[in-house]
Amino acid sequence: DSGVTQTPKHLITATGQRVTLRCSPRSGDLSVYWYQQSLDQGLQFLIQYYNGEERAKGNILERFSAQQFPDLHSELNLSSLELGDSALYFCASSVDGTHSSPLHFGNGTRLTVT
Amino acid sequence: QKEVEQDPGPLSVPEGAIVSLNCTYSNSAFQYFMWYRQYSRKGPELLMYTYSSGNKEDGRFTAQVDKSSKYISLFIRDSQPSDSATYLCAMSPYTGANSKLTFGKGITLSVRP
Repeated sequence: DSGVTQTPKHLITATGQRVTLRCSPRSGDLSVYWYQQSLDQGLQFLIQYYNGEERAKGNILERFSAQQFPDLHSELNLSSLELGDSALYFCASSVDGTHSSPLHFGNGTRLTVT
Repeated sequence: QKEVEQDPGPLSVPEGAIVSLNCTYSNSAFQYFMWYRQYSRKGPELLMYTYSSGNKEDGRFTAQVDKSSKYISLFIRDSQPSDSATYLCAMSPYTGANSKLTFGKGITLSVRP
């Protein structure tokens, strides 16, 4: 068990809808990352937060947004959903943002857009 | 050309076989190289971590980096059914930032008893 908790495990929704994915990092980890995993693209970095502040942005669409709260949990909001947004969404956490503190991944949220 | 290319697989081997998993990359700035293992319905977990060129051994696993050829490998000796998983290579440039990690698409390995 990595110590990173993601909810929900599965989400099925329709095109055009909005969903929120939630992540609780490992105890003591200040940095949270969001990734999207699909068969086509593999694991793609979306965004990183460190202690409540946005630290780095990857291939995150404008329809997607995230935040990290004072208790360090994070939420990823996906809006105006399209069929192509169907994927596994992973949250990972680390103590800080460097290689000296490796990533610990949650078990993901499987999003299906119909 | 993608920055990181990984053999698509899948790969099926008998128990006890030596497995070789490979990735090539195009970005010469990559300095940190990792292998993650992902079991079905689970998140990736860090398996091996190496910096720059050379070999690193951990039990039945050996990670090898050849920067001159832009090629990294993971060898699994005496493979076990419990090694059945998807293996993703990942690499990052000199900044050492986790946010700069680029992952391969992964190769699914099945070890037959």
